[in-house]
Amino acid sequence: EAGVAQSPRYKIIEKRQSVAFWCNPISGHATLYWYQQILGQGPKLLIQFQNNGVVDDSQLPKDRFSAERLKGVDSTLKIQPAKLEDSAVYLCASSSPGLKRGADTQYFGPGTRLTVL
Amino acid sequence: EDKVVQSPLSLVVHEGDTVTLNCSYEVTNFRSLLWYKQEKKAPTFLFMLTSSGIEKKSGRLSSILDKKELFSILNITATQTGDSAVYLCAVVRSNSGYALNFGKGTSLLVTP
Repeated sequence: EAGVAQSPRYKIIEKRQSVAFWCNPISGHATLYWYQQILGQGPKLLIQFQNNGVVDDSQLPKDRFSAERLKGVDSTLKIQPAKLEDSAVYLCASSSPGLKRGADTQYFGPGTRLTVL
Repeated sequence: EDKVVQSPLSLVVHEGDTVTLNCSYEVTNFRSLLWYKQEKKAPTFLFMLTSSGIEKKSGRLSSILDKKELFSILNITATQTGDSAVYLCAVVRSNSGYALNFGKGTSLLVTP
């Protein structure tokens, strides 16, 4: 079974530039999450999708961050314009209530390391 | 506000030692607690705990949950250099849409 795919793996941009990250979840997983992990911290939820609908985006800085999951499969997270404090690893995860471990268990992609200069 | 606190934040041990990692939590509407291992980027699933006092075990790793005292421990026996990683504890609330609320992690280094 293929895992969660993310691209790019690394991205370096100047502040005020724009950047986009892509995620393709495990096939059949209806729930998709984006997390931000700043160095030395645990991942923090940015947004959660159930199919193509948003379940929770309460911690997404909506003035600069946006995300979509138009067809209920892959997803894009965008930052525009980027700030220095956005430097972090952006992790995508997916889950499915039909799994033996249930919806609680999330499977993570390799992440995208963003550096904002 | 929910809190997930892991201790210690970092730990250095010798191969063969046994380590115990701690995770305490203050969460409303607790549903489950999960442990993940993060070696480079992607956290990989270790255990999910929902009931108190039932030990989950996988090889040299084991974990248990105490819902009365609001904590969990992760034990690793006969540590190996390959156990070096950050160990993340996360809690799920029953009304949260299953989002994971993570602690800061414990960074474990196992030296030869």
